[in-house]
Amino acid sequence: AQSVAQPEDQVNVAEGNPLTVKCTYSVSGNPYLFWYVQYPNRGLQFLLKYITGDNLVKGSYGFEAEFNKSQTSFHLKKPSALVSDSALYFCAVRDLNTGFQKLVFGTGTRLLVSP
Amino acid sequence: EAQVTQNPRYLITVTGKKLTVTCSQNMNHEYMSWYRQDPGLGLRQIYYSMNVEVTDKGDVPEGYKVSRKEKRNFPLILESPSPNQTSLYFCASGKTASSSGNTIYFGEGSWLTVV
Repeated sequence: AQSVAQPEDQVNVAEGNPLTVKCTYSVSGNPYLFWYVQYPNRGLQFLLKYITGDNLVKGSYGFEAEFNKSQTSFHLKKPSALVSDSALYFCAVRDLNTGFQKLVFGTGTRLLVSP
Repeated sequence: EAQVTQNPRYLITVTGKKLTVTCSQNMNHEYMSWYRQDPGLGLRQIYYSMNVEVTDKGDVPEGYKVSRKEKRNFPLILESPSPNQTSLYFCASGKTASSSGNTIYFGEGSWLTVV
């Protein structure tokens, strides 16, 4: 079965410092990976995805993610964190066994950026 | 503006009182789905629909019903809500499986409390 793991419940970083939110995956076949963000009292917003091609994927709000096949990882990164980046981040993988449309989510990582 | 709209956003109800959470999308997407989000569990799929009049169970369908009579609408029905259905619910939509890379878009969420 397809799955993703987010090993950190919370990540703390100071504003202006680089941030990394970790995600590892387990899939059979090619992985289709996604990152979503949930701001307080807001819905789930799409950040970026990896389907194929370059291992470094750029997304919204200055975020990027690096796909690493050998380490089965898809870590979310940003060179310089903002206080407004504080939110709940979810990694997800497409479950190819259920007609392509189902996303299997990790448990989420709360990012806290301090001023 | 492309969006997935859910109503109500917040609801407190009593055990056994039937309720419906509506979902509507304006992107002409064939696929729609409901997820619930619980602490430490991430998002789990409740039901999904690949097109009008086509629905199927997700991972946690017990206690829920759905219908897809129109392409844009996908209501979630709780016939007899119980406290274990207290959760944050998300509706989602996307194009059908012509590509596994299709992005799934989510609504802003509906906070449901069953007392």
